[in-house]
Amino acid sequence: DTAVSQTPKYLVTQMGNDKSIKCEQNLGHDTMYWYKQDSKKFLKIMFSYNNKELIINETVPNRFSPKSPDKAHLNLHINSLELGDSAVYFCASSQYDRGAGNTIYFGEGSWLTVV
Amino acid sequence: EDQVTQSPEALRLQEGESSSLNCSYTVSGLRGLFWYRQDPGKGPEFLFTLYSAGEEKEKERLKATLTKKESFLHITAPKPEDSATYLCAVNAGGTSYGKLTFGQGTILTVHP
Repeated sequence: DTAVSQTPKYLVTQMGNDKSIKCEQNLGHDTMYWYKQDSKKFLKIMFSYNNKELIINETVPNRFSPKSPDKAHLNLHINSLELGDSAVYFCASSQYDRGAGNTIYFGEGSWLTVV
Repeated sequence: EDQVTQSPEALRLQEGESSSLNCSYTVSGLRGLFWYRQDPGKGPEFLFTLYSAGEEKEKERLKATLTKKESFLHITAPKPEDSATYLCAVNAGGTSYGKLTFGQGTILTVHP
């Protein structure tokens, strides 16, 4: 069973379009994330949700809107796609631990190409 | 601002040739240091979490160690299947909820 699954794995779309990436985790975790990996392979956090509540929003353009219908799902909707949005988007999850760093588990990634 | 720097950027080894990867970090209150392995076209795969200086963890041919300024990932007698990008990340203090700051990774290639 895939612990963190996201769809689609590959997405090619034109500038100006709106697209969504879906994510589901079956680990029973209470926190989910979206990370972005750019062409230089740096992974950077975009959003974090804890029990459906937005916790982290890292200066991401408001064209990106995460939605968490329940704590097992976190979707990412992107409006008016731009060329610079081309990247790999990783969904991840963890169980919040107040006293220690959370171990985060990643999905397989969604490769977004904007043409 | 939290910073993580990994070295070298790329490392080529012969099978059986042991070596170490370095991860230097600057954070305000370390809550955890994480090592991940990433294969091409895949998501990062969790390897280790280290919480305090002096801590060590091992898994097969890999051993991770932690000091107050850096972490090492030691690879003993590597095999070609150990080839991957190894990522280091830190989780700092405060209300972070898993805000990992990643290094740029070390690309390891092990030749048979």
